[in-house]
Amino acid sequence: QLQLQESGPGLVKPSETLSLTCTVSGGSISSSSYYWGWIRQPPGKGLEWIGSIYYSGSTYYNPSLKSRVTISVDTSKNQFSLKLSSVTAADTAVYYCASSITIFGVVIWPHNWFDPWGQGTLVTVSS
Amino acid sequence: QSVLTQPPSASGTPGQRVTISCSGSSSNIGSNTVNWYQQLPGTAPKLLIYSNNQRPSGVPDRFSGSKSGTSASLAISGLQSEDEADYYCAAWDDSLNGHWVFGGGTKLTVL
Repeated sequence: QLQLQESGPGLVKPSETLSLTCTVSGGSISSSSYYWGWIRQPPGKGLEWIGSIYYSGSTYYNPSLKSRVTISVDTSKNQFSLKLSSVTAADTAVYYCASSITIFGVVIWPHNWFDPWGQGTLVTVSS
Repeated sequence: QSVLTQPPSASGTPGQRVTISCSGSSSNIGSNTVNWYQQLPGTAPKLLIYSNNQRPSGVPDRFSGSKSGTSASLAISGLQSEDEADYYCAAWDDSLNGHWVFGGGTKLTVL
């Protein structure tokens, strides 16, 4: 079954760009069956969807973060990545990657979900 | 402030039935299906209920979900100590070209 694993620096300076990678195992990131997403959770707080990507490069972003977010996919490495620019302390969070399903390559977001999730990686924004 | 509203806490004794509510609006719960996630202490969220009332393989039938109008509920019957966790509801919101929204989470304590 699918397994996802986040990786990247645990500390980023304010105003810099946060970069994380999610490695997919147990399946192909090029599968037409999945969208690949990022979700974050500030310490002691709730969950916030950042965005999702298809192997073709089609993306959906949270409107509140869209101006600072870029999600990309590397099919050769079975990985997808997150870049969040101009970070502040408010971007300190555990970042999770997770998958969503498609039906014959078509994503129906109103009737979808996130499963499975990676274990998460804590990113702290501090000088 | 989360788009979906959940009580911050809930509690029950072993064997009891507890429910957790999730309130939204016409652009999210009122139009789309609701999912529930369970987050055990120090772990990643796990899908518990999808499409309002469906359980993924391996989730005990003690967990059930329902939806009515712009609200949803998660019920846990035969409460067990290992159910102590944070629970989050989620739904797609049709506003602003569409995006996922979550509840603020409910911390369930088994007394």
